[in-house]
Amino acid sequence: RKEVEQDPGPFNVPEGATVAFNCTYSNSASQSFFWYRQDCRKEPKLLMSVYSSGNEDGRFTAQLNRASQYISLLIRDSKLSDSATYLCAGPFGNEKLTFGTGTRLTIIP
Amino acid sequence: GAGVSQSPSNKVTEKGKDVELRCDPISGHTALYWYRQSLGQGLEFLIYFQGNSAPDKSGLPSDRFSAERTGGSVSTLTIQRTQQEDSAVYLCASSLAETAFYGYTFGSGTRLTVV
Repeated sequence: RKEVEQDPGPFNVPEGATVAFNCTYSNSASQSFFWYRQDCRKEPKLLMSVYSSGNEDGRFTAQLNRASQYISLLIRDSKLSDSATYLCAGPFGNEKLTFGTGTRLTIIP
Repeated sequence: GAGVSQSPSNKVTEKGKDVELRCDPISGHTALYWYRQSLGQGLEFLIYFQGNSAPDKSGLPSDRFSAERTGGSVSTLTIQRTQQEDSAVYLCASSLAETAFYGYTFGSGTRLTVV
């Protein structure tokens, strides 16, 4: 089993809708998790960190479910500018981050 | 600097040539990481530096790849005798902490094309 797995999508969502995607992980030792956003031909940029049960920042909510070993990202009132690839990541017991392959999101006008 | 700086931003090289990619991390960041991302693929870990030492170089794909870091700052990734499969975006990241606990910041990458 891969250390971290994501649904690659694509998710095509109408503007204004709420969208959520999950990321499952196999190593329960990790104490921190991250969501990164990557625009086409750009570097990944840190969107949110999750250290306990969850984190909320405006329209974005990240949640951690340790029992089921997944993290989720919820985007409310989606905007056209939210179109991007979203990568989850965690150290999973190592000193480096292991990234999922990303979920591609397209917001449709 | 204000962010992680990588150079060159683009590099086209002939198969068999050597290339050097440079990364200048955020000032004061002790940890430095190299990843690569092939077209449409995920991020592949290459090597991690803590200060000038590399505790984890497990991701280097072959002995044609090497990296060093000097003065606890700038790092250079060298690829010898480049092959077409080396074509990818090479991303550098740095972190203030000794581990990835707080996540890290990426540079804008070097897009390497081997022809």
